[in-house]
Amino acid sequence: DVKVTQSSRYLVKRTGEKVFLECVQDMDHENMFWYRQDPGLGLRLIYFSYDVKMKEKGDIPEGYSVSREKKERFSLILESASTNQTSMYLCASTSGGTGVGYEQYFGPGTRLTVT
Amino acid sequence: AQSVAQPEDQVNVAEGNPLTVKCTYSVSGNPYLFWYVQYPNRGLQFLLKYITGDNLVKGSYGFEAEFNKSQTSFHLKKPSALVSDSALYFCAVRDTFGNEKLTFGTGTRLTIIP
Repeated sequence: DVKVTQSSRYLVKRTGEKVFLECVQDMDHENMFWYRQDPGLGLRLIYFSYDVKMKEKGDIPEGYSVSREKKERFSLILESASTNQTSMYLCASTSGGTGVGYEQYFGPGTRLTVT
Repeated sequence: AQSVAQPEDQVNVAEGNPLTVKCTYSVSGNPYLFWYVQYPNRGLQFLLKYITGDNLVKGSYGFEAEFNKSQTSFHLKKPSALVSDSALYFCAVRDTFGNEKLTFGTGTRLTIIP
C-alpha cells in the first residue's frame, strides 16, 4: 500500500513564526503536492514538485515556499505565519507520465492553527 | 484552464435509497476525472477514476460514476446508500496531456439518514 505521512496531525503556532510541514511518501513517486483545505473552498494547490529540486507554483503560493531535496520528502514552509494561514494542509503524491491518469495518494493532513 | 463544479454543498439521502452526487467539469482537451472521499479528520481516499473506455466506471465501496462527454459531467452514484457513506466527496479533473496538477471541486457533504 502507498503510504504518505505528514509530520504532525495538529500544530499550533504564533503569528510571525516560521513553520515547517513535512511530508514523506514511500512509493518512489515523482510528483508531490501541497494543498490547503478550507470549508466551502475545497482543496487549493499551493505548490507541486515533479522531481527533486524542481517545483512549480500552484494556485495560491503567496506566503509559502517548498523544498524537495530528496525524492521521498516534500516540505512546506510558512516563512512568517499569519492567522489567515490557519487551515488543514494536505500532502499528496503520484507517479508521473504524460497521458497516464494516475490517482494521487493523500496523507492524513495537518491542522494548523496560527494564533 | 481546467475547472470543476459541484453544484450541491449538501445532499441528504435516506438509508437504502439510491444516491447521486453531481459533478461537471471543463478542460481544454480530454479529461481524466476522479472522485475522492474524506471521512472526518482524515485525508482524502481515492474512490474511482475515468481515464478512457467504458463510460460507466466502478470503484470502491459499491460506488460508480458515469462519464458523459456531451454534458461534461461525471456524477457519482450508488444504488443503495449506507449510513457509513456519510462523508465529504470531492470531484477532480485534469487534462490528459497537461501536467499532474488536479483541480478539485468545492466538495459535497453527503449525509445518509437512518
